[in-house]
Amino acid sequence: ETGVTQTPRHLVMGMTNKKSLKCEQHLGHNAMYWYKQSAKKPLELMFVYSLEERVENNSVPSRFSPECPNSSHLFLHLHTLQPEDSALYLCASSLSGTGVDTQYFGPGTRLTVL
Amino acid sequence: AQKVTQAQTEISVVEKEDVTLDCVYETRDTTYYLFWYKQPPSGELVFLIRRNSFDEQNEISGRYSWNFQKSTSSFNFTITASQVVDSAVYFCALKGYNNDMRFGAGTRLTVKP
Repeated sequence: ETGVTQTPRHLVMGMTNKKSLKCEQHLGHNAMYWYKQSAKKPLELMFVYSLEERVENNSVPSRFSPECPNSSHLFLHLHTLQPEDSALYLCASSLSGTGVDTQYFGPGTRLTVL
Repeated sequence: AQKVTQAQTEISVVEKEDVTLDCVYETRDTTYYLFWYKQPPSGELVFLIRRNSFDEQNEISGRYSWNFQKSTSSFNFTITASQVVDSAVYFCALKGYNNDMRFGAGTRLTVKP
């Protein structure tokens, strides 16, 4: 595998379900990001992890819970979501601290909440 | 505050036409980076280019070219001789001093055969 991978690619869940999104980067990066992309809205940064420590949380509801066990893996745990949480969830990684910091994205998980 | 504006929501051209996608940004940082990404129907954002605020040289890569002008806070993207495979949503983004990457709303480009 190369680049940034995300699983699953598609997910349908009910509002009472608990599920997790997984992201893995194979680029040797040390920072990882979760973004939400809703229809007709700009990409919204949800969480940033740098060196496995969360450095930014843009006031995301607590029903979204991130986890970064190491610099290559990032999870987004979901529980009691709402229909308005249906969106494309994109993971990205970058080499932080170099001043350049280009983010490389995975293919996304398209989430539908019923 | 940082802001990126892509005023063109959708553009439709016929194959082989040239097309320019506009991007205007706002930032108070003196050091910043500008990016363009392409999002094909598959969903993945594909990195196209990065420019830093100290380098205003225009760049050309094959049929793609970028015009960075600090005087007008613009970073426009031109595709020459467009092809059907260029159909996608294109995002301009700005990263300032911190980790906060701001994306524009995107421009959906449709290239018709």
